[in-house]
Amino acid sequence: DAKTTQPTSMDCAEGRAANLPCNHSTISGNEYVYWYRQIHSQGPQYIIHGLKNNETNEMASLIITEDRKSSTLILPHATLRDTAVYYCIVRVPQAGTALIFGKGTTLSVSS
Amino acid sequence: GAVVSQHPSRVICKSGTSVKIECRSLDFQATTMFWYRQFPKQSLMLMATSNEGSKATYEQGVEKDKFLINHASLTLSTLTVTSAHPEDSSFYICSASSRGSGTGYTFGSGTRLTVV
Repeated sequence: DAKTTQPTSMDCAEGRAANLPCNHSTISGNEYVYWYRQIHSQGPQYIIHGLKNNETNEMASLIITEDRKSSTLILPHATLRDTAVYYCIVRVPQAGTALIFGKGTTLSVSS
Repeated sequence: GAVVSQHPSRVICKSGTSVKIECRSLDFQATTMFWYRQFPKQSLMLMATSNEGSKATYEQGVEKDKFLINHASLTLSTLTVTSAHPEDSSFYICSASSRGSGTGYTFGSGTRLTVV
């Protein structure tokens, strides 16, 4: 799995967009970018994933640069309940192999 | 969507006793389950991978005789912490994936173990 780099922490005002960056400069052609989040004392929750095109779902948008060396997770209207640790994981999708978590970004949303 | 139920959510046990944590996939068959441990303010650390009907594969540094994993069916995996000590106090999380789904990882809600 390619190494990822994320800021340790970020702050966001409630109602504003939260943009969480992830650097994955050594990503290979068949590796996807996944985002998970972990709210305090809960199990991780899947958010979104993509290969090279931008993706959007009901939770967030994922913007991947053209060279695929970095990506940004966008929470369009952050709420207090979005306060969590956000993990960017780069890997080849392969059933039976575990997700390996880095340190992630602690996002704090305040009113 | 896929749901993984993990029990108990929190447990306190005395040093030297054993504790069993259950992880069930409620609406899908989980061919592979994973167990993680998380210490305060740290990320999840993979402990072991278990495939239904076979022995678990443990990560380096994880004592297989201390952390017993059983995955006897496609919907149930258990982690037993044997002879627990205070340093085993942690947040334990299971995850399940199903055959043919490279992106479908579902996590349990975690178990807070405190050994006193």
